[in-house]
Amino acid sequence: DARVTQTPRHKVTEMGQEVTMRCQPILGHNTVFWYRQTMMQGLELLAYFRNRAPLDDSGMPKDRFSAEMPDATLATLKIQPSEPRDSAVYFCASGPQGFEIYGYTFGSGTRLTVV
Amino acid sequence: GQNIDQPTEMTATEGAIVQINCTYQTSGFNGLFWYQQHAGEAPTFLSYNVLDGLEEKGRFSSFLSRSKGYSYLLLKELQMKDSASYLCAVNTDKLIFGTGTRLQVFP
Repeated sequence: DARVTQTPRHKVTEMGQEVTMRCQPILGHNTVFWYRQTMMQGLELLAYFRNRAPLDDSGMPKDRFSAEMPDATLATLKIQPSEPRDSAVYFCASGPQGFEIYGYTFGSGTRLTVV
Repeated sequence: GQNIDQPTEMTATEGAIVQINCTYQTSGFNGLFWYQQHAGEAPTFLSYNVLDGLEEKGRFSSFLSRSKGYSYLLLKELQMKDSASYLCAVNTDKLIFGTGTRLQVFP
């Protein structure tokens, strides 16, 4: 089965450090989403891309978060500097636009803890 | 604005039927997804409704009424493994999720 690959699976870092999370979407999927999930807020949309172009990043704190897709096989989410309130599970999801009937596929997530 | 509402928690008994409701008010609508998420895992796709009506997939069915901004997920013949969170998400080109309904199935 094709899968979305996220690395690292777990990350513990100190406040103020830079964190980079990576996502490899399924080959051929042209839409990529980044979400953050906490117990209190559920799944919050941070940013999304189509054909590598950023379409909406209004859900991201712009002063510390950035999202990019340097090529079709890699999406990155960076936090600099990290803060304890950024502790959450970050999910990437990909899918082919126009074929939503098959659903968007989520990666296993990166569990981030900022101490 | 975007608003998607689901009940926070539901409980049911093994073998029973449960209906999880979702109401939405969004700027734009292309379709509605249902996802299942077990604790500590990623969400997995269950269904996608574009047109009004009921779509059946085995023990799970999903219903949509676009005019009422309403959907439900129907789970039949409940099993213990159905204990999970069920997430409703609206496709407005971007994918916006409700906060999810945690379902507990008891023997």
